[in-house]
Amino acid sequence: GAGVSQSPSNKVTEKGKDVELRCDPISGHTALYWYRQRLGQGLEFLIYFQGNSAPDKSGLPSDRFSAERTGESVSTLTIQRTQQEDSAVYLCASSLAAGGTDTQYFGPGTRLTVL
Amino acid sequence: AQSVTQPDIHITVSEGASLELRCNYSYGATPYLFWYVQSPGQGLQLLLKYFSGDTLVQGIKGFEAEFKRSQSSFNLRKPSVHWSDAAEYFCAVGANNNDMRFGAGTRLTVKP
Repeated sequence: GAGVSQSPSNKVTEKGKDVELRCDPISGHTALYWYRQRLGQGLEFLIYFQGNSAPDKSGLPSDRFSAERTGESVSTLTIQRTQQEDSAVYLCASSLAAGGTDTQYFGPGTRLTVL
Repeated sequence: AQSVTQPDIHITVSEGASLELRCNYSYGATPYLFWYVQSPGQGLQLLLKYFSGDTLVQGIKGFEAEFKRSQSSFNLRKPSVHWSDAAEYFCAVGANNNDMRFGAGTRLTVKP
């Protein structure tokens, strides 16, 4: 079946612009995660959605970052007034079950470059 | 919260040689441990995971990992490395909440 997809695959933007990144999880997966991976670094947890529960936003680095999810489907990560330090690969993952105990399936990521 | 340390940023091994990638975690209860691989141009893929039971777990592509509670470690091993194993490897620890923490990764280079 189809895996996790993300769009766009690459995004180049100017400092101060807003960007929107999209994630389509695997159908039937209730949990969805967003991570940030800066060059040469590990994955940094950003936000977690589980069904209709309130999302866990504890990893969002600033109020310029926000995310939404429609039910148990598509999620969008929005970064307002982008800064050069936001340049990174943004990864989305989904899992069948809730919590940090289930296998996560990752999308290919969106490479964001802020000039 | 849990945390993960991968002490080796970069490892180089010859093709056919054995491999061990180190992972140390910090967590107060029994952890859920994972190894993921990120090949060039591809997304992260699960290699193996440990939840409970036998502390030696087998994964895909001939990898295995051993959970050692006394050492808070979950090292990844492979007896004979292939050139296609060159990639970035991430150890992760999960908990009974929505929290999953990843290590900084170890980049593996395989020499011919």
